[in-house]
Amino acid sequence: GNSVTQMEGPVTLSEEAFLTINCTYTATGYPSLFWYVQYPGEGLQLLLKATKADDKGSNKGFEATYRKETTSFHLEKGSVQVSDSAVYFCALSEGAGNMLTFGGGTRLMVKP
Amino acid sequence: DVKVTQSSRYLVKRTGEKVFLECVQDMDHENMFWYRQDPGLGLRLIYFSYDVKMKEKGDIPEGYSVSREKKERFSLILESASTNQTSMYLCASSLTESGANVLTFGAGSRLTVL
Repeated sequence: GNSVTQMEGPVTLSEEAFLTINCTYTATGYPSLFWYVQYPGEGLQLLLKATKADDKGSNKGFEATYRKETTSFHLEKGSVQVSDSAVYFCALSEGAGNMLTFGGGTRLMVKP
Repeated sequence: DVKVTQSSRYLVKRTGEKVFLECVQDMDHENMFWYRQDPGLGLRLIYFSYDVKMKEKGDIPEGYSVSREKKERFSLILESASTNQTSMYLCASSLTESGANVLTFGAGSRLTVL
């Protein structure tokens, strides 16, 4: 079956540091890939997505590139802010009904 | 903006009680979902629905049931709550667009079963 593996957190960075959160997936076909973010006390929000190989999703300074050859969708940001502190979930969608499969989540903490 | 509203943010129930978690969305989405969120396990799908009166089991349906009598409302029911159902419950809805199922989530309902 499908699965998503994320790096375990928490990830603690200083403001303006470079961020990478690794995500790899297992799927039988050609999934769509997503990053969702959950700010404290809130539900998940879509951060970015990519629907085919080599697509780059981007939003709010975050980027992720769909790498089919390495089955990866790593999240990056060049300069993090305190307001980026949240839990980040990688997810994939494939097959009938386009059901989403989520990774375990990675907590990011950014210190001033 | 699409809104998904979960009626209860925090609930405390006793073992054996029947629990209803309500979810309402206001953008005429066909698809609705219930997930539970536990530390280190991410989100796990309990049940989903593609249409009124339609329901499908997700990955962990045991101990839960659902009801979708109206398009905008999707209820999660715990017939007899147990302590291992203490968790954060997230409702979501979606339209299928561009071949990718983009979900809009509610703020969550944190359930504690004593």
